[in-house]
Formats: sequence, structure tokens, C-alpha cells
Amino acid sequence: DAKTTQPNSMESNEEEPVHLPCNHSTISGTDYIHWYRQLPSQGPEYVIHGLTSNVNNRMASLAIAEDRKSSTLILHRATLRDAAVYYCILRDVLAGSSNTGKLIFGQGTTLQVKP
Amino acid sequence: DSGVTQTPKHLITATGQRVTLRCSPRSGDLSVYWYQQSLDQGLQFLIQYYNGEERAKGNILERFSAQQFPDLHSELNLSSLELGDSALYFCASSVGPEPNTEAFFGQGTRLTVV
Repeated sequence: DAKTTQPNSMESNEEEPVHLPCNHSTISGTDYIHWYRQLPSQGPEYVIHGLTSNVNNRMASLAIAEDRKSSTLILHRATLRDAAVYYCILRDVLAGSSNTGKLIFGQGTTLQVKP
Repeated sequence: DSGVTQTPKHLITATGQRVTLRCSPRSGDLSVYWYQQSLDQGLQFLIQYYNGEERAKGNILERFSAQQFPDLHSELNLSSLELGDSALYFCASSVGPEPNTEAFFGQGTRLTVV
């Protein structure tokens, strides 16, 4: 499974943008980049995913480097409810066998949002 | 509400016992995934089923087993329980195993082994 590297923790002020980085230098051409977050005492929650192009949805934006070896999750205006652990995950396509689509979670980035 | 239902929410049992955790996936989802989250291990992938068949195995102990039934609900069976099995167990579902689909997680079952 391809690995990702994220900072252990980050801090942000409320109502300011947050850029959460992720390095995935061993990404393969068919790996999708997924972001999930886990709020305290809850199950993980899907945030966004992409392959090559930048993506936007109601929750966040995903900026993918041209060489795909890194990506950045952007929360445009952090709120206190955004305090969570954010996971950057590569979801693989297995050549020559059935897809599993399993998500392998690393340690993630713990985001603290200060009022 | 993710649409994934896990029961029970909490479970307290003694060492050596056997328990069954249940997961109902979102309507239309064929893939089910089980994860274990303990304080010192993070989220660990256990096993995945797709349309009733086992698709992938992770760090699942031999004392643990799972299955997905024809109605697509899944059960995770944990036997000969040890104190170290105390954890949150999450179930997730997705339409299929394709990597461009999103997964939806339930609220988890908190298992406490005493």
C-alpha cells in the first residue's frame, strides 16, 4: 500500500483558511487521493477525493501537485466544528486482480481550531 | 447520518467470551469494510466484503471472523476475547470497491472487555 506523510498536528484560527499538506511520493498513476476526517467520538467522515485535477466540494478543496507527489486539503474558513483528525489516504487500483478499495489510515493530522 | 447502522453502540463483556457486532450498510452499497480503533493503534483495517464475498483481509486475528449475508448486512464475530480487544469497531460501506468511490462510516461499536 502506498504511504502518505502528514504533519502530526496543526493549529488554525477560526474563520481563517487552513491548508493541510500531504506527501505521497510513491503514488502510482492510478491511485486516487482521498481525505477523510474524524471528529471526536465519531466515525471517519469522507471529505473529498481526486486523481489529477484540483477538486472542490461544499466541504473543502483539494489541490494536487502536477507530479501528484503531494496534495493539500484546503478548508476555506475554519470553524470550531472542523477540529478533527484529518487523514490523507491513497486508494489503490490493483492491476491484474480485483479492486479492493480498502482505505489504509495513517496517523493523520490533528487540527486544532482556536476561537 | 451516514446511513450506515452499527449495533450495539456499546458492549461490555468478560474475557474469554464471544460477541457479534452487526453492520447494516447504506442502501445500495455492496462493499462493507471493518476497522478496529484502539488508542495505541489508530484505525486498523480488518476485512472487506463485496457482494457477499471476502475481498481483502488486513490485520484480523484468527479469533475474529466476519461474513456478509445475502441482504448485504455484515457481522463481525470476536471470540476468546482478551483485554486488548477493547476498542472501537467501525463498519464502512461503499457502492463498490472502485477507488474513486467514497466510503461511509457508521458511528461504531465500543467494546469493553473486562
